[in-house]
Amino acid sequence: SAVISQKPSRDICQRGTSLTIQCQVDSQVTMMFWYRQQPGQSLTLIATANQGSEATYESGFVIDKFPISRPNLTFSTLTVSNMSPEDSSIYLCSVVVGGNTEAFFGQGTRLTVV
Amino acid sequence: TQLLEQSPQFLSIQEGENLTVYCNSSSVFSSLQWYRQEPGEGPVLLVTVVTGGEVKKLKRLTFQFGDARKDSSLHITAAQPGDTGLYLCAGADNQGGKLIFGQGTELSVKP
Repeated sequence: SAVISQKPSRDICQRGTSLTIQCQVDSQVTMMFWYRQQPGQSLTLIATANQGSEATYESGFVIDKFPISRPNLTFSTLTVSNMSPEDSSIYLCSVVVGGNTEAFFGQGTRLTVV
Repeated sequence: TQLLEQSPQFLSIQEGENLTVYCNSSSVFSSLQWYRQEPGEGPVLLVTVVTGGEVKKLKRLTFQFGDARKDSSLHITAAQPGDTGLYLCAGADNQGGKLIFGQGTELSVKP
């Protein structure tokens, strides 16, 4: 298993500004994932953060809008840039431990853009 | 593109009732997982099913994996208010092991 600490847990931001979300894992993991979730809805994968290489983005998400850092095997950040009200959502980081695909999640960051 | 269709999307029942949530796909998955998420928290893994036809029980929860490994179901017996939450099925895609999530089932159990 893995314990993931994500912060901030929530924030209210002005449109046009940027917010960086941090994700710290208690063990070294190869891949970390960033998801977006509208309240009460399912998870949409934004990107896969790989240590030592650029993040891999899913269709509809671009690096300029969601830059990701992965400086080591236990830490990653996701920045939501030039925010608009449409970016209001819950953002979750996730890791997969070991050889299976079972995922562990942070508690999420609830972002409101006003 | 692999997709998971989850149903129903919303379910509101009384305490003590039984319910079943379905997760279907036209694609074969090597495994399927079920997660439960409470407000303000990330999803928490309940179970992973790997073998076609597999049945796993977790107290009042019974999970099945279809013989063809394209579908799964979650059955809750005698639901309790503490079962309230968002239930998500997820399967690993065929490339790179990324998880594909179903739309989720919002369950509300009223006392």
